[in-house]
Amino acid sequence: EPEVTQTPSHQVTQMGQEVILRCVPISNHLYFYWYRQILGQKVEFLVSFYNNEISEKSEIFDDQFSVERPDGSNFTLKIRSTKLEDSAMYFCASKTSGIYNEQFFGPGTRLTVL
Amino acid sequence: AQSVTQLGSHVSVSEGALVLLRCNYSSSVPPYLFWYVQYPNQGLQLLLKYTTGATLVKGINGFEAEFKKSETSFHLTKPSAHMSDAAEYFCAVTKTFSGGYNKLIFGAGTRLAVHP
Repeated sequence: EPEVTQTPSHQVTQMGQEVILRCVPISNHLYFYWYRQILGQKVEFLVSFYNNEISEKSEIFDDQFSVERPDGSNFTLKIRSTKLEDSAMYFCASKTSGIYNEQFFGPGTRLTVL
Repeated sequence: AQSVTQLGSHVSVSEGALVLLRCNYSSSVPPYLFWYVQYPNQGLQLLLKYTTGATLVKGINGFEAEFKKSETSFHLTKPSAHMSDAAEYFCAVTKTFSGGYNKLIFGAGTRLAVHP
């Protein structure tokens, strides 16, 4: 069964460093998302991406964040200068067209900022 | 604005007992509702969803949920718990009529423990 994959599973970085989290969505999906979950808190929406542009972003998704679909398969989340509060589990999700269809989630990348 | 409230951050049941995980939502427009499950060190897996039609929806692993508009609820149930049901469960809502890229709004999650 097709699945969303994410790499790395765990990333440790120093505060102020740039990180890129990678996701490979399911191949025929058209809508792509990033969510994050700070330890002990709820899963929060960051950004949605469709037709090579951001369709919606949350207030969390400030200028330090960016997303890109550099080729036909990868979908990346970049944090330019990481802060301690960026430590969280980051989930990528994708879905097909159709308003009834659900989002499929990857296993997540745990980001630890020291 | 939409929101989801899950009553009970931790629920503990005996194996074979009824599982009831509560979810209430707030939405200014008709919602689509979802239950996702997260097993340790894994991503979120869809259990079931309500979009339109029948208000009692059945999902995987014997779970079902009923959409009750008058109560703004979408509680998740399973008649008989199994040890393998131990996981974290998330209720989520999204807007209808907002295009195909609707974001999900999640509840805080309920951790289900099943003991022998």
